[in-house]
Amino acid sequence: GQSLEQPSEVTAVEGAIVQINCTYQTSGFYGLSWYQQHDGGAPTFLSYNALDGLEETGRFSSFLSRSDSYGYLLLQELQMKDSASYFCAVKGDDKIIFGKGTRLHILP
Amino acid sequence: DTGVSQDPRHKITKRGQNVTFRCDPISEHNRLYWYRQTLGQGPEFLTYFQNEAQLEKSRLLSDRFSAERPKGSFSTLEIQRTEQGDSAMYLCASSLGGLAGLTEQFFGPGTRLTVL
Repeated sequence: GQSLEQPSEVTAVEGAIVQINCTYQTSGFYGLSWYQQHDGGAPTFLSYNALDGLEETGRFSSFLSRSDSYGYLLLQELQMKDSASYFCAVKGDDKIIFGKGTRLHILP
Repeated sequence: DTGVSQDPRHKITKRGQNVTFRCDPISEHNRLYWYRQTLGQGPEFLTYFQNEAQLEKSRLLSDRFSAERPKGSFSTLEIQRTEQGDSAMYLCASSLGGLAGLTEQFFGPGTRLTVL
């Protein structure tokens, strides 16, 4: 079967760095994406990794290791507006699956 | 504003009724996706289209659910004989396609369905 695992909640301090991990099990693999969703809002795209390595976009970076079926999202210089849920998503042979999401709490 | 629109934004219906939702994707996007999301969960994939062709459909999708994209532009999602378990946010997303990968998807605001 296909599955994704990510922590349900993470707490960090404003200005700090936080890493959200995602491990996956799929039949076939065509890339891993990260989305941010604020309460009451729609998911918005953050990053996409198809190949191993680190992708950097401003304060956000995403890493993928296909051999380990593992990726992470790294958020730097945390701001209060980063408080949201973060989802990893993978495309396998059958379909697209999203994780259950990681709720990021940021303390002032 | 992502450019994907959905109508209606909210729908309240009685169990057993049929409902239909509409999604208008970003005009140049050839891929269109439907998801269902419940509180505290990630989006659950339902189906996706490349142009007018429905390429994938979740095995979890019962026969009561059907989706169309007749001209490769807007799409409709119909739920027949609604059940209380169908209550959820129904999200539509669109993207540029061409590769097998998971390209950037732009989500609409969703249609919140409540089945009484």
